Amino acid sequence: EVQLVESGGGLVKPGGSLRVSCAASGFTFSTYTMNWVRQAPGKGLEWVSSISGSSRYIYYADSVKGRFTISRDNAKNSLYLQMNSLRPEDTAVYYCARDPTGGTTGYFDPWGQGSLVTVSS
Amino acid sequence: QSALTQPASVSGSPGQSITISCIGGSSDVGSYNLVSWYQQYPGKAPKLMIYEDTKRPSGTSNRFSGSKSGNTASLTISGLQAEDEADYYCCSYAGSRTFVVFGGGTKLTVL
Repeated sequence: EVQLVESGGGLVKPGGSLRVSCAASGFTFSTYTMNWVRQAPGKGLEWVSSISGSSRYIYYADSVKGRFTISRDNAKNSLYLQMNSLRPEDTAVYYCARDPTGGTTGYFDPWGQGSLVTVSS
Repeated sequence: QSALTQPASVSGSPGQSITISCIGGSSDVGSYNLVSWYQQYPGKAPKLMIYEDTKRPSGTSNRFSGSKSGNTASLTISGLQAEDEADYYCCSYAGSRTFVVFGGGTKLTVL
């Protein structure tokens, strides 16, 4: 069974840093593009970042560019999102999601259960 | 403001059909056959329902169908059931610069 499990969320002060992680299982992790998508409380979905299987291709939304860094460790079947200079508007549930095609098509299946990041003083 | 425009809410009675529209532009919906649709229940992760404009993942009911014309994609749910009450989001690939854009979401109420 393909499974994605996020961890590392929590409460952080504005300007602070946090790293969320996603543990993958049930598929050959290194061959799939992985993504982070977030959802602010009561709001819609917002794509955050994507990384290809080899880490050669990396994309960021303008709203996080220069502050967030996506990475992966294929030996550990893990995806990461390092978030620096956090702002209150970054408060959201952060979902890890796989591109199911083996390429980069911009759709997501499956999704993890999400990890809540709260930025507040 | 979301890049793709969806109605905030739609409603229908059991057994009826409803359609949710998703209006994009020539740089996203209109340029690629890569519109996807997601169903989300409160407090749960989204679930892929339609991909590549019209395709259904295995396990998705054939009551769900996708279509597209120009810059507008649509999700139709036929034979509406109480369990279909959820939020629905459209999404489109938008090229290597913008990458992905979502709609603002549509709340479906089954009356």
